[in-house]
Amino acid sequence: AQSVTQPDIHITVSEGASLELRCNYSYGATPYLFWYVQSPGQGLQLLLKYFSGDTLVQGIKGFEAEFKRSQSSFNLRKPSVHWSDAAEYFCAVSGGGGADGLTFGKGTHLIIQP
Amino acid sequence: GAGVSQSPRYKVAKRGQDVALRCDPISGHVSLFWYQQALGQGPEFLTYFQNEAQLDKSGLPSDRFFAERPEGSVSTLKIQRTQQEDSAVYLCASSPKGETQYFGPGTRLLVL
Repeated sequence: AQSVTQPDIHITVSEGASLELRCNYSYGATPYLFWYVQSPGQGLQLLLKYFSGDTLVQGIKGFEAEFKRSQSSFNLRKPSVHWSDAAEYFCAVSGGGGADGLTFGKGTHLIIQP
Repeated sequence: GAGVSQSPRYKVAKRGQDVALRCDPISGHVSLFWYQQALGQGPEFLTYFQNEAQLDKSGLPSDRFFAERPEGSVSTLKIQRTQQEDSAVYLCASSPKGETQYFGPGTRLLVL
């Protein structure tokens, strides 16, 4: 069965500092990987996705993620965070066959210090 | 364009009541998914539709949960005889073909 681990429940970063959120997955084949962001009381907004090809993917709001097959990781990065980035971040995996529900991690709560 | 919409946004039910949660997907999206998100957790898959066909309901936690999409567009998730453990946010997502899912704002259900 597929699974996603986000090891950090909370992360605190100063505004303007760089950010890396960790995600490790378990999946038997080549996965489809996603990062979503959820603000309080809101649904999930897609930040970026990886299906195939270039392992460094760019997303919205200045985020990027790198797929590393050897480490089963898909870490999310941003060079300089803004106070508006404070939210819950979820990594997710699917088989990509079009009929797969997403398997999510438990999320990482990002706190931005002024 | 319009995104996925869900109604109601909030629902308070007494234990034992039946509830119905509605999802309006993005127009033309073939695939529709329902998820349950408990407090402080990631969403968990409940069920999947391709047009009007329910192809996967493996995530439904009990036979009190029922979902339908009779005309291949709007979907309803029904929970019969609600229990306190059903309290959660219920998220709906739609997709053109299934790979990338676009989520609605969710319905927050509180069972007292």
